[in-house]
Amino acid sequence: DSGVTQTPKHLITATGQRVTLRCSPRSGDLSVYWYQQSLDQGLQFLIQYYNGEERAKGNILERFSAQQFPDLHSELNLSSLELGDSALYFCASSDGTSGVTDTQYFGPGTRLTVL
Amino acid sequence: AQSVAQPEDQVNVAEGNPLTVKCTYSVSGNPYLFWYVQYPNRGLQFLLKYITGDNLVKGSYGFEAEFNKSQTSFHLKKPSALVSDSALYFCAVRAFKYNFNKFYFGSGTKLNVKP
Repeated sequence: DSGVTQTPKHLITATGQRVTLRCSPRSGDLSVYWYQQSLDQGLQFLIQYYNGEERAKGNILERFSAQQFPDLHSELNLSSLELGDSALYFCASSDGTSGVTDTQYFGPGTRLTVL
Repeated sequence: AQSVAQPEDQVNVAEGNPLTVKCTYSVSGNPYLFWYVQYPNRGLQFLLKYITGDNLVKGSYGFEAEFNKSQTSFHLKKPSALVSDSALYFCAVRAFKYNFNKFYFGSGTKLNVKP
């Protein structure tokens, strides 16, 4: 158990809908990262927050957004969902003190199915 | 472009035999290299990382990896494989220069250890 929690574990929804995925980092970690894992795209970095502020952006679509709250939990919002958004979404956290050499600890993921 | 490659989709090895999972990278600047393992329906678990210093890095569960700068490789190894090592293994790289907050993952290698 990494100490990173994600809810819900599974989410089934329809095209055009909007969903929110939630992540709680390990106690004391300031950085939160979001990843998408799909069969055709592999594991893709989406976005990183550090202590409430956006730190880096990866391959995140404009339909997707995220935020990190004062208690350091984070939410990933996915809107106007398409079939191709079906994937495993992982959150990871790190303490943020070592920058590029930080070890990231991953949550168990949320499996999103768009029908 | 920064990238990491895992040339083998799958590696098969008999229990008790040594195993190697290959990884090569291409980055600008000094590379920081990581190995993660993913068991079915689970998140990624950190195994080990290379930051600087000794080229041979020891990690969790008896795994080790050797950083080879001239060959730009960071192969994962274990002297004696266990059936329980069967999982999906990901190599990842970060670099201090340019997009250092991004984390580039390989496509993953499925390790099958047969009894």
